[in-house]
Amino acid sequence: AQSVTQLGSHVSVSEGALVLLRCNYSSSVPPYLFWYVQYPNQGLQLLLKYTTGATLVKGINGFEAEFKKSETSFHLTKPSAHMSDAAEYFCAVSDRDNQFYFGTGTSLTVIP
Amino acid sequence: GAVVSQHPSWVICKSGTSVKIECRSLDFQATTMFWYRQFPKQSLMLMATSNEGSKATYEQGVEKDKFLINHASLTLSTLTVTSAHPEDSSFYICSARDPRGIGELFFGEGSRLTVL
Repeated sequence: AQSVTQLGSHVSVSEGALVLLRCNYSSSVPPYLFWYVQYPNQGLQLLLKYTTGATLVKGINGFEAEFKKSETSFHLTKPSAHMSDAAEYFCAVSDRDNQFYFGTGTSLTVIP
Repeated sequence: GAVVSQHPSWVICKSGTSVKIECRSLDFQATTMFWYRQFPKQSLMLMATSNEGSKATYEQGVEKDKFLINHASLTLSTLTVTSAHPEDSSFYICSARDPRGIGELFFGEGSRLTVL
């Protein structure tokens, strides 16, 4: 089974600062990788995904993530944080059998 | 992206009653849907996999008789919390895999259940 590790259950950044949310996975075979965002009392919304091809993927709301096979990482970044980015972020991995595995989530706080 | 709709968003019920939550895929057919439970400040806990036309597959530790799942059509799965008790209060989220893509999950809006 896969495991997904999100370092830092809570991350705080100032408005306008760089956002970096970390995600590492355990698979030796490149899986499909996803980032989801969850606002309070809502379901999860797909931010971006990596399947094949270009390792830097761009998502909605100015977020992007880079797949680094050598580091088994898929960190999420955004150059400039906005207050509306405050939410819970989940990294997820889908293996070739289409089993989904979620990280424990990172709560992002944006300080005005 | 694909659209999954969940209803109701909020429900309050008395202890001992049953509550039904619906999950619909609006623009695709979903042979499989998933039900999750989420405790405050925690990740998603997979409860069961709902299979159209057959019995649901429950995760270890999830009571089948407490959480009844029915997937009667390719666009609708329901979760019924039977004889609900305060400890069943939680946020329940459904998801479905869009067969037209690589199989990413799309989620419903979630249902907040409060049992008094």
